[in-house]
Amino acid sequence: QKEVEQDPGPLSVPEGAIVSLNCTYSNSAFQYFMWYRQYSRKGPELLMYTYSSGNKEDGRFTAQVDKSSKYISLFIRDSQPSDSATYLCAMGNAGNNRKLIWGLGTSLAVNP
Amino acid sequence: GAVVSQHPSWVICKSGTSVKIECRSLDFQATTMFWYRQFPKQSLMLMATSNEGSKATYEQGVEKDKFLINHASLTLSTLTVTSAHPEDSSFYICSARAPSGTGYEQYFGPGTRLTVT
Repeated sequence: QKEVEQDPGPLSVPEGAIVSLNCTYSNSAFQYFMWYRQYSRKGPELLMYTYSSGNKEDGRFTAQVDKSSKYISLFIRDSQPSDSATYLCAMGNAGNNRKLIWGLGTSLAVNP
Repeated sequence: GAVVSQHPSWVICKSGTSVKIECRSLDFQATTMFWYRQFPKQSLMLMATSNEGSKATYEQGVEKDKFLINHASLTLSTLTVTSAHPEDSSFYICSARAPSGTGYEQYFGPGTRLTVT
């Protein structure tokens, strides 16, 4: 079993839809949770990070962490065609040289 | 802020030659940088962690003699692919640990696409 599982999709939604992206993990020591967005042939861009459990909101993006279920989510409201990209979750635990463990990434297409 | 550049963005080389890729943090000092490779439709695979002034730490299965990493200054790390072969063709991405925050945030360069013929 991989430490971080993420459905690669692809996920296709109409413009304006609410998008839900998810990752599950097996290592209960993870405390730092991040979402990155990667456009084709570009480096990933940090979108949001959350420490431990709870929600965090930034504009149209909301990140949720449920440590009891080992499940994290990224919600995108009012999705736009410019949101079309691959979304990667990444996690880290104290120590381990603060390396990140990455999900496979979910490919999202928002259709106008 | 927190801009990371990579050079070159795209390189083609012949089998057996060496290629150097540069990673620079443009507006901050990065004591730690990371090198990843990414195959099409796959996630990032960490190759090594590069700390300024010390030897890089390579992930299991990564040949340190083939992928030479040098982090000579607080703003520059280089990856040299020695004696490149077609199977080394990939997308190589560097990142730098953010100068503030939790220590887990990384800022990525735009990547270098290497094609070995």
